[in-house]
Amino acid sequence: ETGVTQSPTHLIKTRGQQVTLRCSSQSGHNTVSWYQQALGQGPQFIFQYYREEENGRGNFPPRFSGLQFPNYSSELNVNALELDDSALYLCASSFRGSGTEAFFGQGTRLTVV
Amino acid sequence: AQSVTQLDSQVPVFEEAPVELRCNYSSSVSVYLFWYVQYPNQGLQLLLKYLSGSTLVKGINGFEAEFNKSQTSFHLRKPSVHISDTAEYFCAAVASGGGADGLTFGKGTHLIIQP
Repeated sequence: ETGVTQSPTHLIKTRGQQVTLRCSSQSGHNTVSWYQQALGQGPQFIFQYYREEENGRGNFPPRFSGLQFPNYSSELNVNALELDDSALYLCASSFRGSGTEAFFGQGTRLTVV
Repeated sequence: AQSVTQLDSQVPVFEEAPVELRCNYSSSVSVYLFWYVQYPNQGLQLLLKYLSGSTLVKGINGFEAEFNKSQTSFHLRKPSVHISDTAEYFCAAVASGGGADGLTFGKGTHLIIQP
């Protein structure tokens, strides 16, 4: 049973605005990753945080940024929203180590209008 | 870097029939492989994973997958499907070195169970 929770579940923003999405990791996990899932597509890796530092990033521009807090919760921030940023944003937590599975939250559905 | 190809975007099958969802991967390094299921408006749930050892991996809900290194495949199978198996299925890979690349997913296969 996953213990990863994300908030909010849905939100609507206007193009050009900024948004912050939140994720609470599963207890005992020290690594959090964020993914963007466009409609009808597989999730795309945005970045990963370990010990409060970004230590891996996919092919996303700098306006996608994040934070990881000492309690291992995390935020994803997106500046200057574009229509193509409309997607389901998934947070996944894991314990850093070989082969550890990632547990996913329910996601935040972001719509940019 | 890895790439994952799911060969079928949709697979319709009748209830209680067997099903196979196909996945091929490409990587310059050894990888761990995963199958996830996504129900409508939900996150991803892990079905099974291959790390090493036996090439036949059993997962939850009666699913199993076979790792074939020579064919770079990791196909998912279930001998008898139920209506409740209707969902989107994703194959994913990550470098086995424990790096920070994140999972690379395929585009997904929509499993449609017909009564």
